[in-house]
Amino acid sequence: DAKTTQPTSMDCAEGRAANLPCNHSTISGNEYVYWYRQIHSQGPQYIIHGLKNNETNEMASLIITEDRKSSTLILPHATLRDTAVYYCIVRVDRNNDMRFGAGTRLTVKP
Amino acid sequence: GAGVSQSPSNKVTEKGKDVELRCDPISGHTALYWYRQRLGQGLEFLIYFQGNSAPDKSGLPSDRFSAERTGESVSTLTIQRTQQEDSAVYLCASSFRLAYEQYFGPGTRLTVT
Repeated sequence: DAKTTQPTSMDCAEGRAANLPCNHSTISGNEYVYWYRQIHSQGPQYIIHGLKNNETNEMASLIITEDRKSSTLILPHATLRDTAVYYCIVRVDRNNDMRFGAGTRLTVKP
Repeated sequence: GAGVSQSPSNKVTEKGKDVELRCDPISGHTALYWYRQRLGQGLEFLIYFQGNSAPDKSGLPSDRFSAERTGESVSTLTIQRTQQEDSAVYLCASSFRLAYEQYFGPGTRLTVT
């Protein structure tokens, strides 16, 4: 699976949009981009995934660049409860082991 | 509905003892996964099951680690002769099918003294 690069940490003001970037310049055509988050002392939580089209669900939006070498997870109105480590993972859909990197520690501040 | 559950939530054991960790997946999920997360570190994949079959056991850290699953239900991760480096949170996840999004349990915090 392709490797991903994310900033170590980010801050966001409560109520503002949180934009979390991820670089995956070696992504191949059949690899999906997945986002999970892990709130302190809890197991990871699935957020969203996409292949090449932008995706939106009740939690977040995923914007994937046209060349698919990077993506951005958008939390439209961040709350204090969104403080967590956010993991960007690329994987072939049939792969079953997900390689979690260090992720981005997002801190939402009042 | 009920999510993935794991037991015990915390386990403290002495070095050299065996421990058994349990995972109850979401009902109807055919795939089940085990991960390990050491303090302050990312997740380390251990093993996955499709039904009760584990085709690839190469992610298990050593031959002291084993896992089994009964049908498409409960799985147990067994660590024999525990060592201090086994101290970690052990996370279980399940998915509807292989390669679908995974839903994680709360983990079992294992401390080997």
